[in-house]
Amino acid sequence: GDSVTQMEGPVTLSEEAFLTINCTYTATGYPSLFWYVQYPGEGLQLLLKATKADDKGSNKGFEATYRKETTSFHLEKGSVQVSDSAVYFCALRDNDMRFGAGTRLTVKP
Amino acid sequence: DAGVIQSPRHEVTEMGQEVTLRCKPISGHNSLFWYRQTMMRGLELLIYFNNNVPIDDSGMPEDRFSAKMPNASFSTLKIQPSEPRDSAVYFCASSLGWKGYTFGSGTRLTVV
Repeated sequence: GDSVTQMEGPVTLSEEAFLTINCTYTATGYPSLFWYVQYPGEGLQLLLKATKADDKGSNKGFEATYRKETTSFHLEKGSVQVSDSAVYFCALRDNDMRFGAGTRLTVKP
Repeated sequence: DAGVIQSPRHEVTEMGQEVTLRCKPISGHNSLFWYRQTMMRGLELLIYFNNNVPIDDSGMPEDRFSAKMPNASFSTLKIQPSEPRDSAVYFCASSLGWKGYTFGSGTRLTVV
């Protein structure tokens, strides 16, 4: 069945460092792809999405491009801030939403 | 828009007791999802409804779990009887069509 695999954490970076969190997917159809962020004690919030191949989703400095040839949707940010510390989930939706295991990011000042 | 509203935020109960978690989806959304989150298993989809009809309940762990959606603005997840291994954060999410989900803040359940 459809599934998502994302890089295991935790990831620890210094402020202003470049961030990449890898995500690859397996799907039989043409799913939409998402990144969600979860701050401590809160529910998941939609960060960005892409609905078809070569689409780029972007929000709050984060970007991810839907790569059908490599079945990937890697999350990137050029300069992270302490406030970006959270758990990031890659997800795909065909019928229902399938989430990756989550990657915990800690940004140190 | 108040978003997806879940209640209670925290629930502590004794083993064997019945627990009912509640969810009010965003008005106009036609799909509703119940997830369970634990450190060991991550986010697990328990059940989802489309237009108030249960579509896939294959993620419901066992018969002690049941979910209902009597109307478009309300859903419940019930555990009877509860067990310590049911301790987790339970999230409700809603969506419209193929858009992303909107999650509630979750209910942290502790069964002692």
